[in-house]
Amino acid sequence: NAGVTQTPKFQVLKTGQSMTLQCAQDMNHNSMYWYRQDPGMGLRLIYYSASEGTTDKGEVPNGYNVSRLNKREFSLRLESAAPSQTSVYFCASSEPRGGTYTQYFGPGTRLTVL
Amino acid sequence: AQRVTQPEKLLSVFKGAPVELKCNYSYSGSPELFWYVQYSRQRLQLLLRHISRESIKGFTADLNKGETSFHLKKPFAQEEDSAMYYCALNSSASKIIFGSGTRLSIRP
Repeated sequence: NAGVTQTPKFQVLKTGQSMTLQCAQDMNHNSMYWYRQDPGMGLRLIYYSASEGTTDKGEVPNGYNVSRLNKREFSLRLESAAPSQTSVYFCASSEPRGGTYTQYFGPGTRLTVL
Repeated sequence: AQRVTQPEKLLSVFKGAPVELKCNYSYSGSPELFWYVQYSRQRLQLLLRHISRESIKGFTADLNKGETSFHLKKPFAQEEDSAMYYCALNSSASKIIFGSGTRLSIRP
């Protein structure tokens, strides 16, 4: 049971390049999330998917797109990377248990945009 | 607006001293609050939930609706408590909002 997995672990892009961050979970959770973590800003929600087939914007969606490919997979795409998107990206999944949602996080992807 | 505020970016205390990490929230309904922790080189993980009223690794947090706070406390800090701590609010059915985090450093 791997939990939440993310690929790649590290990536360096040039301004204007595109890439897709992959996330998968094997816990059969309905909800999945993408966050970015920046010093002094904490974790900010980019997009989330409450269930397969739905996606919603979070706090900082500009410059990103997402795809909920199936119940297991939730990808994040940067169409034209900018230096401001240099960050650590975390994927998470959750499911209600005991009336509340507990989030399970992936190991993160460290992205640098030059 | 729904918001979670952690006023301290960094908190440094000596081993054995009490610890209090502050968290205030803004939410119009009945809040569900959490503390998450990220140890060095590890994944972010749940520490405790207010709904469970539990003590984990000696930490407790009490929801104070009057002061809209959910401060994390531990009476005697240990070196292994050094980590990044995030307060979080379940703002809708499945959407979670995190605070900006507090780095706790325990000095020997």
